[in-house]
Amino acid sequence: GQQVMQIPQYQHVQEGEDFTTYCNSSTTLSNIQWYKQRPGGHPVFLIQLVKSGEVKKQKRLTFQFGEAKKNSSLHITATQTTDVGTYFCAGDTNTGGFKTIFGAGTRLFVKA
Amino acid sequence: GAGVSQSPSNKVTEKGKDVELRCDPISGHTALYWYRQSLGQGLEFLIYFQGNSAPDKSGLPSDRFSAERTGGSVSTLTIQRTQQEDSAVYLCASSSVSGYSNEQFFGPGTRLTVL
Repeated sequence: GQQVMQIPQYQHVQEGEDFTTYCNSSTTLSNIQWYKQRPGGHPVFLIQLVKSGEVKKQKRLTFQFGEAKKNSSLHITATQTTDVGTYFCAGDTNTGGFKTIFGAGTRLFVKA
Repeated sequence: GAGVSQSPSNKVTEKGKDVELRCDPISGHTALYWYRQSLGQGLEFLIYFQGNSAPDKSGLPSDRFSAERTGGSVSTLTIQRTQQEDSAVYLCASSSVSGYSNEQFFGPGTRLTVL
């Protein structure tokens, strides 16, 4: 079946270091979404990418959508302790109606 | 405006009992998802409702799990004869499935503990 793979599963960084999480789909996606879940909270939408090769920035966060619309990445520059949490990618397929498939998430730990 | 609400926020039950979890999506959202999340784990898709279409039940782990959505709004997830492995946070999300953004809005979840 359709899958969205996300790596790494965990990442420990020192505050100030950069962080990247990668997302790969077995099929072409109509769009990719990124969510952040703080410890004890629920996932909160960060951004959606739609166009092939699209790059979007939110302050220290940079999101990319691959040319083939099968992969995506989230890069955080100079991590801060407030970045701690789990980052999920989620891809929309449009086969038989919209359905969003979530990756397993990357859990980020930031050491001050 | 009101976001997605879920009730109860916490539910403790004994093994073998039935439980019902409720989700009130954002008004006007046609898509509704149920997910299960065990401690420190990712989101496990359970079921998806979209408008008047037949729900996608492909994620339900067993026939003890069922869900319905009445009037295209409120949804109830029912777990019959609960087992200890059913203990998890059950998250509901809704989406407008507009022409541009399919952002999912999550509720706070129901933490289910089966003793």
